[in-house]
Amino acid sequence: LAKTTQPISMDSYEGQEVNITCSHNNIATNDYITWYQQFPSQGPRFIIQGYKTKVTNEVASLFIPADRKSSTLSLPRVSLSDTAVYYCLVGDMGYGQNFVFGPGTRLSVLP
Amino acid sequence: DTGVSQNPRHKITKRGQNVTFRCDPISEHNRLYWYRQTLGQGPEFLTYFQNEAQLEKSRLLSDRFSAERPKGSFSTLEIQRTEQGDSAMYLCASTPSGGVSYEQYFGPGTRLTVT
Repeated sequence: LAKTTQPISMDSYEGQEVNITCSHNNIATNDYITWYQQFPSQGPRFIIQGYKTKVTNEVASLFIPADRKSSTLSLPRVSLSDTAVYYCLVGDMGYGQNFVFGPGTRLSVLP
Repeated sequence: DTGVSQNPRHKITKRGQNVTFRCDPISEHNRLYWYRQTLGQGPEFLTYFQNEAQLEKSRLLSDRFSAERPKGSFSTLEIQRTEQGDSAMYLCASTPSGGVSYEQYFGPGTRLTVT
C-alpha cells in the first residue's frame, strides 16, 4: 500500500487559493490519487480523483506531475466553510480496503 | 434524505458490554465499508461487503469485532466485551453498483464512548 505524506496543518485567508501537496513516492502503476474532505462530526466526502496530469471539477483541481510521486490539491478562493481536514489517498480502483487514510491536513481558513 | 445513515449517532457503554451499530447504505449500493476513526487520525478500514458477502475482514481489530450484512442491504457492526480503547467514531460508507471504490459515500458515523 502506497504511503502518503501531507502537511499536518495549513492556514489561509478567505478568498485565497490554497494548495495542499501530498507525497506518495511508492505509488504503483495501477494506483489512483483521491482526495477527501472531512468536517467535524461528519464522515469524509469525496472531492476529486485523478491518475495523471490535471483534473478539475466544480470544487477543486488536482495536479499530478509526470512521475506521479506527488500530487497537489488546489482549492480556488477558499471561504470559511472550507475549514476542514483534507485527506490524500492512493490506491487502485478495485477494492476499498486498499485505501489508507493518513492523518490528513487540517486547513483553517481565517476571515 | 437518501444518504448513508447510521444509528445510533452516539453510544455510551460500560466496559465489558456488547454494542451493535447499524448502517443503512444508499439504496442499491452493493458495496459497504466499515471504518474506525480515533481523534486526530484518519479513518481506519475494518471490513467490507459486496452484497451480503464479506470479502475482507482480516483488518477487523480483534475477534471481538464482527460485522454482518444479511440481505445485502443494511449492515451491523458488533463489538463484544467493549474496552476503553474501543472508544472512537465508527463510520460506514457505500459505493454504487458498478461504481468505483475510490468514491465512497460516508455516513455521519456512530460515536462510541466506553466508560
